[in-house]
Parts: sequence; C-alpha cells; structure tokens
Amino acid sequence: GENVEQHPSTLSVQEGDSAVIKCTYSDSASNYFPWYKQELGKGPQLIIDIRSNVGEKKDQRIAVTLNKTAKHFSLHITETQPEDSAVYFCAAIGNAGNMLTFGGGTRLMVKP
Amino acid sequence: DAGVIQSPRHEVTEMGQEVTLRCKPISGHDYLFWYRQTMMRGLELLIYFNNNVPIDDSGMPEDRFSAKMPNASFSTLKIQPSEPRDSAVYFCASSFSAGETQYFGPGTRLLVL
Repeated sequence: GENVEQHPSTLSVQEGDSAVIKCTYSDSASNYFPWYKQELGKGPQLIIDIRSNVGEKKDQRIAVTLNKTAKHFSLHITETQPEDSAVYFCAAIGNAGNMLTFGGGTRLMVKP
Repeated sequence: DAGVIQSPRHEVTEMGQEVTLRCKPISGHDYLFWYRQTMMRGLELLIYFNNNVPIDDSGMPEDRFSAKMPNASFSTLKIQPSEPRDSAVYFCASSFSAGETQYFGPGTRLLVL
C-alpha cells in the first residue's frame, strides 16, 4: 500500500519568514495530494490540494509543489503569521483511489 | 452547510463500558470514513463506507470495534467493551466521491479510565 513520510516533525520560524514542509510517497499511481491544517482541539481542515497533472498550485500565502518523478511534494507558507501555528498533515490517495494515507504531521510554531 | 457533525464531543467512561460515537456526514457525500488519532500512531483509518456499505474495515483494531451506517445521513462507531488503550480522538470524515477531498468533523475525544 501507500506510504507517506513527512519532514520535519517540528518547525519553528519567526513571524514573516517562510516555512517549508516536505513529503514523499511510495505509490507511483497516487494522483491526489491534499494538505490539512489541524488546530488544537479541532479536526483536520483542508488548506490546499494538488493533482498529479499539475506541478504547482498557489493560494495567497500558501503553495504546493509536486514532483512526480521523485515522488515528493511540498507545502510552502510565505510571510508566516502566529495564526499559522498548527499541525500540518500531507496525504496521498494511492492506487485504491479511495483511501487517504497521511504523513506523520509537522508541528509548525510561528514566533511573534 | 453545517459540515460533518460528530457527537458527543467528549466522552469519559470506565473500562468495560460500551461507547457509541455518532457521525452525520455532509449531505450528498457518498463516502464516510472513521479515523482514530493518537500521539503514538497518528491518524489511522479504521473503516470506510460507500453508499452506506462498508468497503474496507481492515483498520478496525479488533472485534470490540464495530461500525454501522444505517442510512446516508448517519453512522455509528461502537466499542464494546472499552479499554484504556482505546483512549484517543475519533474523527469522522466524508467525501463526495472516490479520490476527492475528505472533510473532517470536529472529533470525539474519548477517555477510558
């Protein structure tokens, strides 16, 4: 089955700096890669996603890049703000087409 | 839309008791997923349904866990008997179709003493 690895597990940045979180996946047939943000006491919320026919997608301060050859994808947050502090999860939908496999999560801390 | 609704939000029970968690998916979504989240194991898929039919329950830890979806707007996850190691946050999620975005509920925080 699919295996998703996520790095780093914790990331501390200064407000205004950029943050980058990286994920690798194992199933070359995977074609959908969402990113979720989970705040304390809440469920994961989708923040951005990308499909395998696209190399990059941007939404304001958030961007995701996908390298299908290398089987890795990354989340980029620019001009970080304290409210960006949360746990971020990458995920991939593998060959089965229905089930999300999650990475282990990255705890992002943005220091004011 | 109200999003995915879960109840209760918190549950504290004693070992050996039956626990029932409830979920109402987003209207029109054909897929429903139950996840468990712990510090040690992260987010684990327990079971998922398509059009009310269980498709894959390979993530269900053992026979003490069961899940049902009697209709398109309601699902339950039951633990009987509960054990302290079942303490976790349980999430329900739904999606419109296969391979599409899953939307998560707020979760049920379960503590088994």
